[in-house]
Amino acid sequence: ILNVEQSPQSLHVQEGDSTNFTCSFPSSNFYALHWYRWETAKSPEALFVMTLNGDEKKKGRISATLNTKEGYSYLYIKGSQPEDSATYLCASSGTYKYIFGTGTRLKVLA
Amino acid sequence: ETGVTQTPRHLVMGMTNKKSLKCEQHLGHNAMYWYKQSAKKPLELMFVYSLEERVENNSVPSRFSPECPNSSHLFLHLHTLQPEDSALYLCASSQGPALSTDTQYFGPGTRLTVL
Repeated sequence: ILNVEQSPQSLHVQEGDSTNFTCSFPSSNFYALHWYRWETAKSPEALFVMTLNGDEKKKGRISATLNTKEGYSYLYIKGSQPEDSATYLCASSGTYKYIFGTGTRLKVLA
Repeated sequence: ETGVTQTPRHLVMGMTNKKSLKCEQHLGHNAMYWYKQSAKKPLELMFVYSLEERVENNSVPSRFSPECPNSSHLFLHLHTLQPEDSALYLCASSQGPALSTDTQYFGPGTRLTVL
């Protein structure tokens, strides 16, 4: 993998459902993996930064895991709410690089 | 609010115009960035400044000209743009050093339309 790739590109879930999406990144020259939440017409907002293999971070109903050996991170949302609707971006940073994926656009239906 | 502001929020310009985008960060950060967001593409890093010195230029056309007069302000000067330059331009800052593991804090962006 040469770029940062996110899947799925978009998804719709019902309120109350749990969901997860994937970020794949080059495992070479890796320093950190960042997750951002980007609501329409607002600024991207940092959620998590993870550096070590096996790292897990949690903020409320949102959590993330990191596997640096195989180059992927998962973002989980438990009990999705309409206010979780946003684009979720991941970025891989290393020596003089900070590369974003195209994002996963989440829509939570009430 | 993230502490990073951008003006204007929307800009429409002709191909022969000259305009400037402004970014200001109130976070005391040492690094500032310009990104371009085109439809269905990842954020593209354009320019990076660390302590007011440019440290990265990702082969950006010369019709885009950055300026960082101090650690709190960043400008993007635009001239003779093309319609394909229409995009959302985001500014970000980080504690530094530039392009490290530090979280970047983003402004709301300027939506640019080139006619």
